[in-house]
Amino acid sequence: DVKVTQSSRYLVKRTGEKVFLECVQDMDHENMFWYRQDPGLGLRLIYFSYDVKMKEKGDIPEGYSVSREKKERFSLILESASTNQTSMYLCASSLSTGGVENEQFFGPGTRLTVL
Amino acid sequence: AQKITQTQPGMFVQEKEAVTLDCTYDTSDQSYGLFWYKQPSSGEMIFLIYQGSYDEQNATEGRYSLNFQKARKSANLVISASQLGDSAMYFCAVLGTGFQKLVFGTGTRLLVSP
Repeated sequence: DVKVTQSSRYLVKRTGEKVFLECVQDMDHENMFWYRQDPGLGLRLIYFSYDVKMKEKGDIPEGYSVSREKKERFSLILESASTNQTSMYLCASSLSTGGVENEQFFGPGTRLTVL
Repeated sequence: AQKITQTQPGMFVQEKEAVTLDCTYDTSDQSYGLFWYKQPSSGEMIFLIYQGSYDEQNATEGRYSLNFQKARKSANLVISASQLGDSAMYFCAVLGTGFQKLVFGTGTRLLVSP
């Protein structure tokens, strides 16, 4: 079965802390994505990666960075967490065939609270 | 650029009835895919159904069907015979060519009552 896992379901951090959110997929997918989800705003893309060590900014990259050292792992980093980064974070992966039929497979999400 | 509009923030339906969740999209791509995802209160996003822009028939997956009207740029999700377990957030999304980025709508919260 296809699987995307995220390191934590719930996380509480303090303002100014460095925060790492980890995502691992076991499907050998080339593409990986980080979204944040806020009520009334849907899912918004933060960063994505289409290959190891490659990354592209999404729609809301400010305050975030990412790392992809291995194909199966994609990390989201909050260099200095702020209260406005309190949100649900969802990781996803997909094949990279260039087709428009490639569904994205999602992890269970990490609900991050920054105090 | 692509955009998805879901105009229904919330919908109510009684068990065993059918319900339609609206989705309109905007894209300049000739080839694109439309997706519906379900998100229960537990948080995970569950893929429900896919429709390709060149598919001639509306997609169906069990109790889910997609009312695809290309000229109107709409891709409404129809859930037949609603069940209590269908209570969740539902998101419509579009995938165009290029960087394989899914663009999501703001979602519709469906509540199924007994």
